Amino acid sequence: DGGITQSPKYLFRKEGQNVTLSCEQNLNHDAMYWYRQDPGQGLRLIYYSHIVNDFQKGDIAEGYSVSREKKESFPLTVTSAQKNPTAFYLCASSIEKNIQYFGAGTRLSVL
Amino acid sequence: GQQVMQIPQYQHVQEGEDFTTYCNSSTTLSNIQWYKQRPGGHPVFLIQLVKSGEVKKQKRLTFQFGEAKKNSSLHITATQTTDVGTYFCAGRRSGNTGKLIFGQGTTLQVKP
Repeated sequence: DGGITQSPKYLFRKEGQNVTLSCEQNLNHDAMYWYRQDPGQGLRLIYYSHIVNDFQKGDIAEGYSVSREKKESFPLTVTSAQKNPTAFYLCASSIEKNIQYFGAGTRLSVL
Repeated sequence: GQQVMQIPQYQHVQEGEDFTTYCNSSTTLSNIQWYKQRPGGHPVFLIQLVKSGEVKKQKRLTFQFGEAKKNSSLHITATQTTDVGTYFCAGRRSGNTGKLIFGQGTTLQVKP
């Protein structure tokens, strides 16, 4: 069953802690994206990657980091530098720059 | 920077009424996509428009792309409770790196 898997579904972060959100896809897509969604707002791009071992900052990259060591995987780390991390995080993938397929998301809260 | 504005932010309709959401870009777009996000869910692709003036239909949903490729609309005829959710437009600028710029979304509530 092909798709995008995000884990965990819910995550809690303590102050000063780094946390990593997982995103795995078996669609053989080259491009992967991380978005942040806040209530009543659209999706804001954090980071994106069009090819393995290469990634670019999106519009709100500060306080976040990513890696793209494998085609299937694009983990997002929310660092302690991100002072307002509570949000719904969505990972997506696409063939080149085409339609984006989204995972089910991770809800991150701060303890 | 480039913005994609979407209105209205919220819309409450009685079941059976029509609904329209509008999307406007500050710059010319190469294409525009529409996504639907059900409450508690994730965005799901609905359609992509590429040509100037293009109109596409999916059952009760009609999508339009403006002649200048700067605006788009989604019209739902005779809404049903299954139409509830947030509808996002997402534009891609001509010649850019492929990033989609999402509108803020229109949340539709349908009263039975």
